[in-house]
Amino acid sequence: EAGVTQFPSHSVIEKGQTVTLRCDPISGHDNLYWYRRVMGKEIKFLLHFVKESKQDESGMPNNRFLAERTGGTYSTLKVQPAELEDSGVYFCASSQRGGKGSYEQYFGPGTRLTVT
Amino acid sequence: AQTVTQSQPEMSVQEAETVTLSCTYDTSESDYYLFWYKQPPSRQMILVIRQEAYKQQNATENRFSVNFQKAAKSFSLKISDSQLGDAAMYFCAYRSAPVNNDMRFGAGTRLTVKP
Repeated sequence: EAGVTQFPSHSVIEKGQTVTLRCDPISGHDNLYWYRRVMGKEIKFLLHFVKESKQDESGMPNNRFLAERTGGTYSTLKVQPAELEDSGVYFCASSQRGGKGSYEQYFGPGTRLTVT
Repeated sequence: AQTVTQSQPEMSVQEAETVTLSCTYDTSESDYYLFWYKQPPSRQMILVIRQEAYKQQNATENRFSVNFQKAAKSFSLKISDSQLGDAAMYFCAYRSAPVNNDMRFGAGTRLTVKP
């Protein structure tokens, strides 16, 4: 079974530019989460999809961040325009909805974003 | 709001010895889950061990075990017979009882294993 994949693995952009991160969850997982880790700090929750619907986006820092999950499969996280403080590692995780084992979130390898 | 604190940014252990990583958390909830995740260098995070708050018995997974002290809100991870492959960043995490909730993480502890 393929795990959670994220693309790209690294991205270096200039302040003011736009970047789109992609996450492919494990097939059949309805829950998809985005998290971010700023260097040396804790991993923070950004938002949660259940299928294509945003269940909780309370962690999104501001309106420069836009997440989508069309069709309830893969998700994208767009940052526009990027600021220096957006640098960090963006993790995606997925989990099943309900049932046994649904409490485990499976994480992708992360996308390291550097804004210069 | 729930918070998770890992007070040890870095730890090191000699191969074959035992090391304990600390984690404390703050919550007003009575039902929740606690996790330890491991992220090896340049690899993705994987679940090491989990503990349900309603269970008094400490979880164990082979060489990994936890010391869960609910009243003290403490959740430490003990790694016995440390191996070189245990070198990684370890994150302690908290999740409220509803299974689809998001996770709250600590800042992580970087573990080095010396041969």
